[in-house]
Amino acid sequence: DVKVTQSSRYLVKRTGEKVFLECVQDMDHENMFWYRQDPGLGLRLIYFSYDVKMKEKGDIPEGYSVSREKKERFSLILESASTNQTSMYLCASSISAGVNIQYFGAGTRLSVL
Amino acid sequence: GQSLEQPSEVTAVEGAIVQINCTYQTSGFYGLSWYQQHDGGAPTFLSYNALDGLEETGRFSSFLSRSDSYGYLLLQELQMKDSASYFCAVNQAGTALIFGKGTTLSVSS
Repeated sequence: DVKVTQSSRYLVKRTGEKVFLECVQDMDHENMFWYRQDPGLGLRLIYFSYDVKMKEKGDIPEGYSVSREKKERFSLILESASTNQTSMYLCASSISAGVNIQYFGAGTRLSVL
Repeated sequence: GQSLEQPSEVTAVEGAIVQINCTYQTSGFYGLSWYQQHDGGAPTFLSYNALDGLEETGRFSSFLSRSDSYGYLLLQELQMKDSASYFCAVNQAGTALIFGKGTTLSVSS
């Protein structure tokens, strides 16, 4: 079974803090994705990566950056957390481009106070 | 721009059949996917349609009409465990999925 693991299930941070959300997949997938999920808004794509050290902006990249130094790990960084970044963050991976099936992690619920 | 429209809520009783529609407007369309998400859980893949027609997987079927930019997920013999959110998603440009806002299905006994 594909496993996508997000480092934290719940996080509480203060406004202005630098926040790292980590995601690791164990199936040698090429593509990795970060989404945020808010009630009534569905899943919105923040960033994705199709290879090590490669990244592409999604629909809502403002206030976020990412890092992919190794194939299995994709990190989402909030340089200076703000209250409007309080959300559920979901990481996903897929085997290659031509994405049909994405495998999701359990999510990190981030609260910025 | 790109957009996907699906109903926000659907209710049904056990044993019934329910259809969740999805209309989309996007460029570079490659296919339509469906995902299920239980409360507090991760989204999980249900089905994918790249070509027009019906795809059946057990109690669930998915349909696509590319000419109408329309698809649906059909759930038969509903069970309580089918209560969840269902998302349609468009595979555009062969890389990232764009998701709809989700349909919350409530199944009652």
